[in-house]
Amino acid sequence: DADVTQTPRNRITKTGKRIMLECSQTKGHDRMYWYRQDPGLGLRLIYYSFDVKDINKGEISDGYSVSRQAQAKFSLSLESAIPNQTALYFCATSDLRPGGGDTDTQYFGPGTRLTVL
Amino acid sequence: RKEVEQDPGPFNVPEGATVAFNCTYSNSASQSFFWYRQDCRKEPKLLMSVYSSGNEDGRFTAQLNRASQYISLLIRDSKLSDSATYLCVVFLYNFNKFYFGSGTKLNVKP
Repeated sequence: DADVTQTPRNRITKTGKRIMLECSQTKGHDRMYWYRQDPGLGLRLIYYSFDVKDINKGEISDGYSVSRQAQAKFSLSLESAIPNQTALYFCATSDLRPGGGDTDTQYFGPGTRLTVL
Repeated sequence: RKEVEQDPGPFNVPEGATVAFNCTYSNSASQSFFWYRQDCRKEPKLLMSVYSSGNEDGRFTAQLNRASQYISLLIRDSKLSDSATYLCVVFLYNFNKFYFGSGTKLNVKP
């Protein structure tokens, strides 16, 4: 079974609709992230969470909100979807050790392809 | 200015060729470095971390030049299965964030 799962995998919706993308992980990591990927722009950080009570905006958080329901679950919502939110969305986890020692890598979910018409 | 810059390519090479990608980063406080591989429409997956002394994993060699703030990836004896997009990633401990380059596309042809 995959360590990081995302649902749905594909979604087509209309402008103005509310959409929730869900992410679950079994890796036991504290840190979770939401990115979007657009052609030619690479991965851009939307929101990130270092634990259940710590949520932070990334570089492109406008139009998005998140909820960290548990260590293992991190949801991304589009309150009123617009066409330029059409993208591939990835959830990721990492297990950074505090104190500046080893850094761990990020583990990505399979992605959600969202199309807003 | 982007934190991480890569040549988008594509690099079109024949099987068996050696190919090298470079990546530059803007923040000298960057602390950890990685190369990820991403296949079309799939999630990025870690290819290798990049260490200050350089490191090798089979046909793949990664180098870090902190003075010039660039990272390189060398692939020897290219295989068809190496065709993918290669993402350069840096981690800034001060900001607790990973920064991704936009990727370099590699096409290995028969």
